[in-house]
Amino acid sequence: GDSVTQMEGPVTLSEEAFLTINCTYTATGYPSLFWYVQYPGEGLQLLLKATKADDKGSNKGFEATYRKETTSFHLEKGSVQVSDSAVYFCALNKAAGNKLTFGGGTRVLVKP
Amino acid sequence: KAGVTQTPRYLIKTRGQQVTLSCSPISGHRSVSWYQQTPGQGLQFLFEYFSETQRNKGNFPGRFSGRQFSNSRSEMNVSTLELGDSALYLCASSLVGSETDTQYFGPGTRLTVL
Repeated sequence: GDSVTQMEGPVTLSEEAFLTINCTYTATGYPSLFWYVQYPGEGLQLLLKATKADDKGSNKGFEATYRKETTSFHLEKGSVQVSDSAVYFCALNKAAGNKLTFGGGTRVLVKP
Repeated sequence: KAGVTQTPRYLIKTRGQQVTLSCSPISGHRSVSWYQQTPGQGLQFLFEYFSETQRNKGNFPGRFSGRQFSNSRSEMNVSTLELGDSALYLCASSLVGSETDTQYFGPGTRLTVL
């Protein structure tokens, strides 16, 4: 079946450091790929998405490129802030209908 | 536009009881999905409703059920609660539920089973 694997955390960084969270997927066909972020005590918020190969999603300084050849969708941000501390989830959606398959989540802690 | 709302936000039940959770999607959204989030299993898909019909279902026992009303509001029900049902239950809505649609999540209902 479909699956998403992302690097385990926690990832601890200093403010203004570069952030990379690796995400790879296994799925037949051409899924859409998503990054969601969850702040403490809240639901999930969409960070960015890409719906076809070579698409780049970007939002709030975060970027991820849909790489079909490596089945990856790594999340990057050039300069993190304390407010970026959260749990980040990589997900795919392949079937018609809302059936997201999530990775295990990566907790990121940014220290001042 | 108002976001996805879920009620109640917190719930405490005992084993063997049943519970009903409610979700109001963003206005105009016709697809509603439910997910269970636990520390051990992560985020798992429960089911999806579109135009009052269940369109997708995850691998959960029959104790978990749901429905959708004509105004797209959705409820999920868990009967004969078990300790392992303690979790954050998240509802998400999207326009038509295509694979490219963005799903917008509510804040969740935290269920504790004692």
